[in-house]
Amino acid sequence: DIVMTQTPLSLSVTPGQPASISCKSSQSLLHSDGKTYLYWYLQKPGQSPQLLIYEVSNRFSGVPDRFSGSGSGTDFTLKISRVEAEDVGVYYCMQSIQLPYTFGQGTKLEIK
Amino acid sequence: QVQLVQSGAEVKKPGASVKVSCKASGYTFTSYGISWVRQAPGQGLEWMGWISAYNGNTNYAQKLQGRVTMTTDTSTSTAYMELRSLRSDDTAVYYCARSIYGDHDYWGQGTLVTVSS
Repeated sequence: DIVMTQTPLSLSVTPGQPASISCKSSQSLLHSDGKTYLYWYLQKPGQSPQLLIYEVSNRFSGVPDRFSGSGSGTDFTLKISRVEAEDVGVYYCMQSIQLPYTFGQGTKLEIK
Repeated sequence: QVQLVQSGAEVKKPGASVKVSCKASGYTFTSYGISWVRQAPGQGLEWMGWISAYNGNTNYAQKLQGRVTMTTDTSTSTAYMELRSLRSDDTAVYYCARSIYGDHDYWGQGTLVTVSS
């Protein structure tokens, strides 16, 4: 199975400041079709996960542009340009290039 | 709007089975698949498997092979996940999510399954 490793596991950020989460995969997520199957999800407290970013860098419908994704191969980053109170929760990366799909351990974001 | 509505919480004894439903609306059901993802209390997300609503093809996580069955009923746009021989470590919130290439873009509200004697 592909192992997804996120760092840090927790993050405390002052509103208005940036935040960054790293996700590394044990194998390349670049498919022969040219796409890279790396996703980012946010699970707000008491809610179901929600899709933020698909295929490394594409924001899902309705996701604010303060969220951005980047990376390639095995190294990926989710950045929040200016953290807001509503961004609290646990962020997960996930790969779908190989079965079984696997998630990172999660990164808990809290507001200072 | 796309909605996935799951069945209610269940309490089961060890060794029993549970069947969770996920009713889809707001899109063409057979154009997508449904993934099932679970989350044990205080833990992260675990992908369980996927079913094509188009042809019923399935892919299951190896660790659940033989205990899990995913099905769909296209007449009611509903997906089902049955888990058998329940153990205490199957206690979790079970989510369905619309998925075609791993992009789980819409999720159900979750179903808590508690396994306890």
